[in-house]
Amino acid sequence: KNEVEQSPQNLTAQEGEFITINCSYSVGISALHWLQQHPGGGIVSLFMLSSGKKKHGRLIATINIQEKHSSLHITASHPRDSAVYICAVSAISNYQLIWGAGTKLIIKP
Amino acid sequence: GAVVSQHPSRVICKSGTSVKIECRSLDFQATTMFWYRQFPKQSLMLMATSNEGSKATYEQGVEKDKFLINHASLTLSTLTVTSAHPEDSSFYICSATDTARGIYTFGSGTRLTVV
Repeated sequence: KNEVEQSPQNLTAQEGEFITINCSYSVGISALHWLQQHPGGGIVSLFMLSSGKKKHGRLIATINIQEKHSSLHITASHPRDSAVYICAVSAISNYQLIWGAGTKLIIKP
Repeated sequence: GAVVSQHPSRVICKSGTSVKIECRSLDFQATTMFWYRQFPKQSLMLMATSNEGSKATYEQGVEKDKFLINHASLTLSTLTVTSAHPEDSSFYICSATDTARGIYTFGSGTRLTVV
């Protein structure tokens, strides 16, 4: 079992839909990151969380430390949101990043 | 906030040549840097861990003579892919930590294509 599990692996939705991507982890962490990766492009940091909830524009990220679970939400989704979204955790034991496999999101107009 | 600059973002090279990827922390001292590689349709996997001034620790299966890592200063780490082959084509990313300040951040990645 991977230490960081993301679901779903693939998600296709219509423009305007509310999107939720989930991340569960099994190790002790100092922080959890949500990142965006466009095809052929680099990685962009969206959020770094250690507790609670953060909001940036149409993006919301939450984390439940007790349940070792985080969610990334996109409100009023748009085709330009199409990308791979990756969850990564900073392991508290050695500060190493452990990456999820990513969720490929396609928003259709 | 803490920023890590990784260059180049994309590189195409011929088989047999070497490619250097730089990872630079701009506004903090990176006591530890990690290098990761992303295989197609898989998550990023740790290649090696480097602490400033000491030799890198490589993960099992990663050839240290092929992937040379240098962490000579607290702000710069480099990964050199030597005698590159098409199977080395991948996405490489570094992450950096300043444990004293609780900083954990990463570069934007390098897409390497070996032709």
